[in-house]
Amino acid sequence: GQQVMQIPQYQHVQEGEDFTTYCNSSTTLSNIQWYKQRPGGHPVFLIQLVKSGEVKKQKRLTFQFGEAKKNSSLHITATQTTDVGTYFCAGGPAGNEKLTFGTGTRLTIIP
Amino acid sequence: EPEVTQTPSHQVTQMGQEVILRCVPISNHLYFYWYRQILGQKVEFLVSFYNNEISEKSEIFDDQFSVERPDGSNFTLKIRSTKLEDSAMYFCASLRGGRPRTDTQYFGPGTRLTVL
Repeated sequence: GQQVMQIPQYQHVQEGEDFTTYCNSSTTLSNIQWYKQRPGGHPVFLIQLVKSGEVKKQKRLTFQFGEAKKNSSLHITATQTTDVGTYFCAGGPAGNEKLTFGTGTRLTIIP
Repeated sequence: EPEVTQTPSHQVTQMGQEVILRCVPISNHLYFYWYRQILGQKVEFLVSFYNNEISEKSEIFDDQFSVERPDGSNFTLKIRSTKLEDSAMYFCASLRGGRPRTDTQYFGPGTRLTVL
């Protein structure tokens, strides 16, 4: 079955440093979605990428979808303590079907 | 802004007991999902539901699990005879579908199920 892996599993950064998490799928995705889960919370939708090579920005967050639609990345510039949480990518063969979540990257910020 | 709601927030049960987890999806949404997350692990798909029937289910969703939309607003997940390994956070999600097409699934706050 489809597998979605993320690296790194954990990332500790000093506040103000940049952070990147990488997502790789074993199969081609129709779209990739990114979610953030705060400790003790539920996944909160951040963004969806649909087109091959697409790049989207949300303030300090930059999301990229690979040309082959099998990988994606999330980059945070100048991290803040509010960025703490686990970032999951999720994708599937079609938008209305199940989401296969990545393994997640847990980001902690050192003040 | 409309939200997916789930009750209860925490359910403690004895092994072998039946539990029903409840969800109220966003009112104009057409697709409904259950996911679970064992502590410290990733979110795993359980089942998707559309037009009053299951559209897809995972290997986890065996005969002990069932889903129902008993009325126009609730979406429930039943576990007939709970096992210790069913302890997890269970998330309900809904998706509008329709036109214009949206593929965003909105997650509820979850129900933490603890099986003793």
